[in-house]
Amino acid sequence: KAGVTQTPRYLIKTRGQQVTLSCSPISGHRSVSWYQQTPGQGLQFLFEYFSETQRNKGNFPGRFSGRQFSNSRSEMNVSTLELGDSALYLCASSHQDRGYQFFGPGTRLTVL
Amino acid sequence: ELKVEQNPLFLSMQEGKNYTIYCNYSTTSDRLYWYRQDPGKSLESLFVLLSNGAVKQEGRLMASLDTKARLSTLHITAAVHDLSATYFCAVSFGNEKLTFGTGTRLTIIP
Repeated sequence: KAGVTQTPRYLIKTRGQQVTLSCSPISGHRSVSWYQQTPGQGLQFLFEYFSETQRNKGNFPGRFSGRQFSNSRSEMNVSTLELGDSALYLCASSHQDRGYQFFGPGTRLTVL
Repeated sequence: ELKVEQNPLFLSMQEGKNYTIYCNYSTTSDRLYWYRQDPGKSLESLFVLLSNGAVKQEGRLMASLDTKARLSTLHITAAVHDLSATYFCAVSFGNEKLTFGTGTRLTIIP
């Protein structure tokens, strides 16, 4: 059974640009969550989607947004990139409400 | 606001020794997770603990949960080099949002 996949794996952008990251959950998983990992702030929750609806949201500015499609694949978008957005972005999926969360390999975003 | 503290932040230990990583959380939680992260890699699920007194073991790792003390421990028995990694605990309450601890970077010295 394939795990959580994320594309692209690495990305370099410049300040002011926008970026879209993609996450494909494990087959059958309907919940997808996104996390940001930085050396300074650690792992922080961005948002969670379930059945195409955002169910939970972390404390990030509105520049960070996401969506989920009918096949449970999810995208997150960051607009007007700042240097501080450089991070590893991790996606996690779970099978049902309150299931064990499995993490993808992450997308490493560098903002120059 | 749920806060999670781990200690120690860094841990160097010799092979064959035992040690414990501690995870304290500030408010009620109904699930506690332990994850492992190797350098440059993603998070690997180790354990999920659901109830007071829960204990789970896998190989040289054993995790336990005391909900009254809001404390979980990850005990490492007879450490081997392959266990070198960063270990995170994470808690949730009522939803999928995980609040992570700061992580413990474990280095096993031959």
